[in-house]
Amino acid sequence: AQSVAQPEDQVNVAEGNPLTVKCTYSVSGNPYLFWYVQYPNRGLQFLLKYITGDNLVKGSYGFEAEFNKSQTSFHLKKPSALVSDSALYFCAVRPNTNAGKSTFGDGTTLTVKP
Amino acid sequence: GAVVSQHPSRVICKSGTSVKIECRSLDFQATTMFWYRQFPKQSLMLMATSNEGSKATYEQGVEKDKFLINHASLTLSTLTVTSAHPEDSSFYICSAQRRGRQETQYFGPGTRLLVL
Repeated sequence: AQSVAQPEDQVNVAEGNPLTVKCTYSVSGNPYLFWYVQYPNRGLQFLLKYITGDNLVKGSYGFEAEFNKSQTSFHLKKPSALVSDSALYFCAVRPNTNAGKSTFGDGTTLTVKP
Repeated sequence: GAVVSQHPSRVICKSGTSVKIECRSLDFQATTMFWYRQFPKQSLMLMATSNEGSKATYEQGVEKDKFLINHASLTLSTLTVTSAHPEDSSFYICSAQRRGRQETQYFGPGTRLLVL
C-alpha cells in the first residue's frame, strides 16, 4: 500500500525567510509526486509535480521541490516566503501506472508572519 | 487550460433530501474523474473513481447506494448524495484526469454541503 507522511502539522516562518514543508512517501515502483495548495473553502491548486527527469522540480509561485529517491522524500521549498503563501499544503503520491490512485498526506498548515 | 468546475459551490438542504453535485471539465476530455470528501482541517478522502461510460469504483467503506456517481460523458460526472443526513455535511471535491495526460489530476473548486 502506498502512503504519504507530512510530519509537521504546522510550519511557521517569517516573511522573507526560506521555507520547507516536508514530505516522505512509500509506493511500489516509481512514483509520481505532487504538491498542492489549498486556501480556505477552496479546492486544491496544483503547485508542481515530479514525473521523471531532474530531481529538482520548479513550480508555481516560486516553489520548488527535490525528489530524493534514497530518502523517499519530496520536500517543498521556497527561498523567500510571502505572507500570501500562508495556506494548507498537501503532498500526494501515486504509482506511475494509468490506474494509479493518488494518496494524499494529512496536510501542513503554513503560516508566514510579516 | 485544464479547468474543472463544480456546481453548486455551496448547498444547504434539509435532512432526507437528495443533493446532486456536478463536476465538469471545461476545456478537456476527462477519461477518469475522482470524488473526494474532506472534513475540516483534514486530508482528502477518496470516495470513488469514475470512468466515462462505466460504473464507478467505490473505496472501501463508501456506500454506493448513498453516494451515486454518474459519469455520463467525457466532460461531466455527477455525485448525488441520497437521503442526506447531517453527518454527510462536508466539503466534496472532484478531480479529473485528462485524456493522454493521465499522470496529473485537475481539481475542482469544491462544494460545501450542509445538511440541517
